[in-house]
Amino acid sequence: QKEVEQNSGPLSVPEGAIASLNCTYSDRGSQSFFWYRQYSGKSPELIMFIYSNGDKEDGRFTAQLNKASQYVSLLIRDSQPSDSATYLCAVHTGANSKLTFGKGITLSVRP
Amino acid sequence: ETGVTQTPRHLVMGMTNKKSLKCEQHLGHNAMYWYKQSAKKPLELMFVYSLEERVENNSVPSRFSPECPNSSHLFLHLHTLQPEDSALYLCASSQERYTNQPQHFGDGTRLSIL
Repeated sequence: QKEVEQNSGPLSVPEGAIASLNCTYSDRGSQSFFWYRQYSGKSPELIMFIYSNGDKEDGRFTAQLNKASQYVSLLIRDSQPSDSATYLCAVHTGANSKLTFGKGITLSVRP
Repeated sequence: ETGVTQTPRHLVMGMTNKKSLKCEQHLGHNAMYWYKQSAKKPLELMFVYSLEERVENNSVPSRFSPECPNSSHLFLHLHTLQPEDSALYLCASSQERYTNQPQHFGDGTRLSIL
C-alpha cells in the first residue's frame, strides 16, 4: 500500500522563525510531490510542487526533495500568523496513478 | 469566477433524504475528482472522471452516486446516508487524470447526517 506519512503535530513556532514540515513516502517510484495549505473551513490550496531532487524556492517557501531517503519537506521562512493552517503533503507515483495524501500537520505561528 | 466552485457549502440531511452536491470548474480541465475529508484522516479519493467517463470508483458505497454530464460539471447524488458519512466533500480538477500536474480544489461541502 502506498503511504504518505506526516508528523502528527501540531507544530508551534514563534513569529519570524523557520517552520519545517516533513513528509515521507513509501513508494520509490513516486515522481511528483505537492504541498497544499488548508485553512480551517477552506479548500486545500496548492503552494508548492517539486519533481526533482534538491531545493525549490518560491518566496518564503522552500520545498526540499530527497528521493534516495524518500522524504520531501517544506520550509517556511519568516513565519507569519497568517501561515497558521494545516499543511498537506501529496505524492503522485506516476502514470495511471492517483494522488496520495498525508493526514496533514497543523502549524500554529505565535505572534 | 473562481477556478472550482462547489454548492452548497453546508448541508444537513436526514438519513432518508436524497440530495445532490454540485461542482463546476472554469479551468478547462479534462479530469474531475470527488474526495472525502474526515477529521484526522487523509483525503480519500472517491471517484475520478476523465472526459466525462468514470475511470475510478474507489470502493465507495452505492449510496453515493456520481454524475458527470460534461467536462465542466460534476455531481454527487446522495441517498440513505449514514452518520459516518458526515464529512467535508471536496471536488477537484486537473488538466488530465493521473497527471503530474497539480489538482485544484473547490471549497467543499460540509455534510452533516442527522
